[in-house]
Amino acid sequence: SQQGEEDPQALSIQEGENATMNCSYKTSINNLQWYRQNSGRGLVHLILIRSNEREKHSGRLRVTLDTSKKSSSLLITASRAADTASYFCAAAGSARQLTFGSGTQLTVLP
Amino acid sequence: SAVISQKPSRDICQRGTSLTIQCQVDSQVTMMFWYRQQPGQSLTLIATANQGSEATYESGFVIDKFPISRPNLTFSTLTVSNMSPEDSSIYLCSVQEYEQYFGPGTRLTVT
Repeated sequence: SQQGEEDPQALSIQEGENATMNCSYKTSINNLQWYRQNSGRGLVHLILIRSNEREKHSGRLRVTLDTSKKSSSLLITASRAADTASYFCAAAGSARQLTFGSGTQLTVLP
Repeated sequence: SAVISQKPSRDICQRGTSLTIQCQVDSQVTMMFWYRQQPGQSLTLIATANQGSEATYESGFVIDKFPISRPNLTFSTLTVSNMSPEDSSIYLCSVQEYEQYFGPGTRLTVT
């Protein structure tokens, strides 16, 4: 499976600011999922957006999807130090396997 | 959501040996996946393990190196065979419901 791209690779912001991460993928998808990973631990599922959806919200998270551009973005509003982690997008195709992006390392400074 | 556990959580192994990683799910699931995450990298799919059939391996991964068992709908094992330092990674199993959930991972270091 070919990995997608995420940008930026690393992002450092102050607590209270918003963080935006972008993801691009290469093939058609059924859905796109975002995950958080703290310090090489397991992945925590954040949100899933279906291919026929354009925007989805969950708490402080906002995800957009543009299938014409094969891209998605994750916005974290009012960031907290506890949001410091690596964030990955993962595109789910018809065979249900996930193709992961390269990840964004977010650091939220107190 | 499914609760997934893995054993061992971490291990340090000598080159040339093999390690079997266990993945247990608290509910019956059809599709299970094994991923590898090399240091500082993203996740790469190793294989898809469905109960009652042979695992399907992704390009670059072979059954002789990564044999997989899936004896029932709640359990799977991945063996990393004849290990070398390049196999040092986190190995994660995951299950597909509508969303896909991951186990906590097994951190393997090969010396």
